[in-house]
Amino acid sequence: GENVGLHLPTLSVQEGDNSIINCAYSNSASDYFIWYKQESGKGPQFIIDIRSNMDKRQGQRVTVLLNKTVKHLSLQIAATQPGDSAVYFCAENSPTGRRALTFGSGTRLQVQP
Amino acid sequence: DGGITQSPKYLFRKEGQNVTLSCEQNLNHDAMYWYRQDPGQGLRLIYYSQIVNDFQKGDIAEGYSVSREKKESFPLTVTSAQKNPTAFYLCASSIPGGEPNTEAFFGQGTRLTVV
Repeated sequence: GENVGLHLPTLSVQEGDNSIINCAYSNSASDYFIWYKQESGKGPQFIIDIRSNMDKRQGQRVTVLLNKTVKHLSLQIAATQPGDSAVYFCAENSPTGRRALTFGSGTRLQVQP
Repeated sequence: DGGITQSPKYLFRKEGQNVTLSCEQNLNHDAMYWYRQDPGQGLRLIYYSQIVNDFQKGDIAEGYSVSREKKESFPLTVTSAQKNPTAFYLCASSIPGGEPNTEAFFGQGTRLTVV
């Protein structure tokens, strides 16, 4: 869901389970998408990106899925570890208009040991 | 090693004062950005610059000013006109060039508090 005020959507998973974090993006013209991980008090770190000519891209323990029809992006984390606990943001960029990433509101992932 | 350096990490400002947040990068990136983050929320774009001596307003530019006199540096001034400046400020850089879609690299942020 979308964040309202101070309350980020939170996903709580058990260590070793797979996690799926979802994001709805707003601009149908966007052709580049990124997932970032942000730990408390730090700057966002790049996880994985995908361009609009792809539906799926895999990295190490992470997979990003893109559904352009419904403007939906998801991040799958395999075998979730305590170190994965953080806030995850999706970001989009469009080839038209301004050339800067637009961020979603974020999801907090809590991994229970 | 290469990266983006923001300073200071913590900054306290009295009401009515202007303060300047520093952002330096040695990644040889053309584009630089400033974002603001409030507790429990996403990042909102304040200003961005695609090239030296040029910058554009983002979504929440009111009460802020920037300069881009050098490729490596993109300082942000929070002026007294910004009514609610307490926030976490993040600077980023990327290579726009002929590659319009590349990841942005972030600094570690400056937490500004008005006292």
